[in-house]
Amino acid sequence: GENVEQHPSTLSVQEGDSAVIKCTYSDSASNYFPWYKQELGKRPQLIIDIRSNVGEKKDQRIAVTLNKTAKHFSLHITETQPEDSAVYFCAARTRGGFKTIFGAGTRLFVKA
Amino acid sequence: KAGVTQTPRYLIKTRGQQVTLSCSPISGHRSVSWYQQTPGQGLQFLFEYFSETQRNKGNFPGRFSGRQFSNSRSEMNVSTLELGDSALYLCASSLMSGENEQYFGPGTRLTVT
Repeated sequence: GENVEQHPSTLSVQEGDSAVIKCTYSDSASNYFPWYKQELGKRPQLIIDIRSNVGEKKDQRIAVTLNKTAKHFSLHITETQPEDSAVYFCAARTRGGFKTIFGAGTRLFVKA
Repeated sequence: KAGVTQTPRYLIKTRGQQVTLSCSPISGHRSVSWYQQTPGQGLQFLFEYFSETQRNKGNFPGRFSGRQFSNSRSEMNVSTLELGDSALYLCASSLMSGENEQYFGPGTRLTVT
């Protein structure tokens, strides 16, 4: 069945450093890849997404890259700040598949 | 525009009972998905509804069911509750299905004792 693998499960960085989270999906028909940030006790919030016809997308300190051939996509956060500390989820969705599969999540700690 | 709302926010039930959770999507959104979130399993897809029809279902037993009404509000039901059903149940709505962004509700925290 469809699967999304996410690594690492935990990531600790110093404030100001960059953080990279990687995901791999199994369904080659997937064409929409959102990233969510979930702070403790709160709902997941969409922070950036990318569609299969685009290789890279950037929004201020956050960027996402997609390699459709390898079925990999990654989240890059630059100049990390303590408020970036949260759990990040990647996901993959198939057009018309009516199903979004999430990765297991990465807990990011940004040390001041 | 009001966000996705879920009721109730917290629920305590006993094994063997059944429970119904409700989700009201953002106005104009027609697609509603449900997820189970547990510390060890992350976000697990339960089902997705669009235009009052269940379009897909995840790998959950038949005790988990749902429906969507003509106003796009959705309910999910869990019968014969088990201890392992204790989790945060999240719903998310999107304008249409396919590529559109999903917006999550605050969740219903279900505890089964």
